[in-house]
Order: sequence, then C-alpha cells, then structure tokens
Amino acid sequence: AQSVAQPEDQVNVAEGNPLTVKCTYSVSGNPYLFWYVQYPNRGLQFLLKYITGDNLVKGSYGFEAEFNKSQTSFHLKKPSALVSDSALYFCAVRENNAGNMLTFGGGTRLMVKP
Amino acid sequence: ETGVTQTPRHLVMGMTNKKSLKCEQHLGHNAMYWYKQSAKKPLELMFVYNFKEQTENNSVPSRFSPECPNSSHLFLHLHTLQPEDSALYLCASSQGGDGPYNEQFFGPGTRLTVL
Repeated sequence: AQSVAQPEDQVNVAEGNPLTVKCTYSVSGNPYLFWYVQYPNRGLQFLLKYITGDNLVKGSYGFEAEFNKSQTSFHLKKPSALVSDSALYFCAVRENNAGNMLTFGGGTRLMVKP
Repeated sequence: ETGVTQTPRHLVMGMTNKKSLKCEQHLGHNAMYWYKQSAKKPLELMFVYNFKEQTENNSVPSRFSPECPNSSHLFLHLHTLQPEDSALYLCASSQGGDGPYNEQFFGPGTRLTVL
C-alpha cells in the first residue's frame, strides 16, 4: 500500500525568506511523486513531479522539490517566498507500474506574510 | 485554466432532491476521476474511469452514482444525500495506464451544500 504524510498542518514564513513544505511517503516499489497547489475556491494545480533521474526537480512558479530515497522524503522548497504563494499544498505518491491511482497527503497550508 | 471544467460551481440541494454534477475535459485524456474534499480531511478518491470503464469504487455509498458516457465527460448523479455529504467535489483527468507522464489535471470543483 502507498501512503503520504505531510506532518505540518500550516507553515508560516515571511515574504522573501526561503520556505520548505515537508512530505514523506511510503511505497513498496519505486515512487512517482507529485506536488499540487490549491488556491481558495479552486481545484488543485500541478506544480512538479519526480519520476526518475535528478533528485532535484524544478517546477512552476519557482518551486522545486528534492527527492531523498533514504529518508523517503520529497520536500517542497522555494528560495524566496511571495505573499501570492499562500495556498494549500498537497503532496501525492504513486507506485510505478501500479496503475494510475494517486494517494494524497492531508495538505499543508502555507501562509506568507508581508 | 487546466482544461477541465465542472458545472455547476455551486449547488445547494435538499436531502430528497436529485441532481447531477458534470465534468468535461478538453485534454484528450482517457482517465477521469471524482474526488471529495471535506474540511480538515484528506482528499478522498471516489471513482476512477479508464477508457470509459469504471476501475475503482472506493466504498462510496450508492447515493452517489457515476456515469462516463465517453472519455471526455464524467457525471456524478446525486440522490437522497445527507448533510455530511456537503463538500467540494473535484473532477480530474489524466492519460490512462500507469506510465510516468500521467499527472492528473483538476477542475475547479463543485461546492455542494446539502440542507
């Protein structure tokens, strides 16, 4: 079975500071990992994914995520946060060769203050 | 815009009503999904259709009935709902199969309130 944990319900950061949103996963095989963002009254928007290759993945809006196999983590990062980054962030995992079912974490609310 | 549209965006219904949610994708995908998003709960996968065939039903009550007439359209028929069914219902689509390039694209959701 596959599972995802986002240990922080909320992350607060000041504008201009770096941000990290944490995600850990559990799969029995090799993972495909995803980050999505949800703005108020909107659906989820795809940010980035890790499939294979370079452990540092770059995505939309200046976000990046680092895949760490030994720690089974896929933390989302951005060097300099913007107020407009305030939103709900979801990590998701899927085992390769295991169908197209995504398992989502519970979400982390990011609050960026001016 | 993600290429996935949902109508209506907001719906208020009584427990005895029958209504339907509609989802349409313009991305040429062949897998479609219904999710339920409730406050303070993880995203719950309800149904999955691959190539118009239902491949997942995650123990969803029978008062929710999905329909996928073609690979571009997905419906969720609702009847005799309960107040606890109030939530944001999200539709998503992706390429079918288990390849690495089939990230899901989501619609804006339908905010459902059951009185």
